[in-house]
Amino acid sequence: EADIYQTPRYLVIGTGKKITLECSQTMGHDKMYWYQQDPGMELHLIHYSYGVNSTEKGDLSSESTVSRIRTEHFPLTLESARPSHTSQYLCASSGPGQAYIYGYTFGSGTRLTVV
Amino acid sequence: GIQVEQSPPDLILQEGANSTLRCNFSDSVNNLQWFHQNPWGQLINLFYIPSGTKQNGRLSATTVATERYSLLYISSSQTTDSGVYFCAVGSGGATNKLIFGTGTLLAVQP
Repeated sequence: EADIYQTPRYLVIGTGKKITLECSQTMGHDKMYWYQQDPGMELHLIHYSYGVNSTEKGDLSSESTVSRIRTEHFPLTLESARPSHTSQYLCASSGPGQAYIYGYTFGSGTRLTVV
Repeated sequence: GIQVEQSPPDLILQEGANSTLRCNFSDSVNNLQWFHQNPWGQLINLFYIPSGTKQNGRLSATTVATERYSLLYISSSQTTDSGVYFCAVGSGGATNKLIFGTGTLLAVQP
């Protein structure tokens, strides 16, 4: 079944640690996105990619970095985690093959807590 | 950039009641979607509706693009409808970025 997967689902980590949040999709979508969401708040775009080897920063400034070496994989990395990075991170994709080409599919999210 | 406002911010309903959620946006868009975020944080795409009217079971949506607003109707609400409803808009195109509204928190009581 075509889907989008995020791991881990929950992560509690100490300050200063390097972390990578994984996001993979099996739908062959060319566009992928990372959104950050604090509890009870709206989603803010922090990174996006419209194809392999193309990544751009989103509307909300973030200390994280991303890479897109393969179409299906769009990991997000924090080199040195801080308590201010505590949030939920949601990955999404869009592209040909969906019922509506501009429609989004979201992963289940990663709830990150930095202590 | 495009501004997206949703109303009401919070809504409490008794099971079986109907409701209307509104989304206003500040500029013309080629992409408008409604999402439901359940209490576990999962976002589910309800409608892709840059214009016109669509229905899916007890839910329906209408977008009047010329007047820059969209409405989401929930009929005969159920407790499983609880969560946050987000409207998101964008210009489509090569990047297809979406800008999200602040959401409407819906609580349906039995």
